[in-house]
Amino acid sequence: DAGVTQSPTHLIKTRGQQVTLRCSPKSGHDTVSWYQQALGQGPQFIFQYYEEEERQRGNFPDRFSGHQFPNYSSELNVNALLLGDSALYLCASSLNGGVPDTQYFGPGTRLTVL
Amino acid sequence: RKEVEQDPGPFNVPEGATVAFNCTYSNSASQSFFWYRQDCRKEPKLLMSVYSSGNEDGRFTAQLNRASQYISLLIRDSKLSDSATYLCVVNLNYGGSQGNLIFGKGTKLSVKP
Repeated sequence: DAGVTQSPTHLIKTRGQQVTLRCSPKSGHDTVSWYQQALGQGPQFIFQYYEEEERQRGNFPDRFSGHQFPNYSSELNVNALLLGDSALYLCASSLNGGVPDTQYFGPGTRLTVL
Repeated sequence: RKEVEQDPGPFNVPEGATVAFNCTYSNSASQSFFWYRQDCRKEPKLLMSVYSSGNEDGRFTAQLNRASQYISLLIRDSKLSDSATYLCVVNLNYGGSQGNLIFGKGTKLSVKP
């Protein structure tokens, strides 16, 4: 049973560029959340997708956008990259109303913006 | 005020020691509470949920005081493998699958031989 997978593992971009990160949820899960974890900080919630719609959003600018596909996989897009966007981006999957009622995290994509 | 605040750490303890982590949260509407563990350069993993009645899982005991908005984690008989960062997490939703998990900055624990 595959867990949450993310790609790529590492990514280096320059300021102003755009990036797309990908996430495949754990088998049987239908909900995907994205978090940003800066060095030395706890993860911060970006948004959550369920039934291909953004269900909830954290305090992130519109440069951060996402998508969920019919197979429940998800993408996170960040436009006009800033140095401050350098972080570990974590995807978490869960089953809406499921048991156990928890989010499972993927290994993350480490983004460096130069 | 940060939504979830934790002891800054790091905690450096010998094997076999008992160590306690504390956490406070600011939003009284918080419904569910967790401790996650994060190893260096790895993803967070759920350690345990925290209930008002208190709960125990082997060497780990978690307590919740809703009146004080305070959460604790006690680790008894520390092992080298317990070395990690411990993240206090709250959710305004009931349960952990939906909504916004709000993380503290984490407290780093280092268990020495």
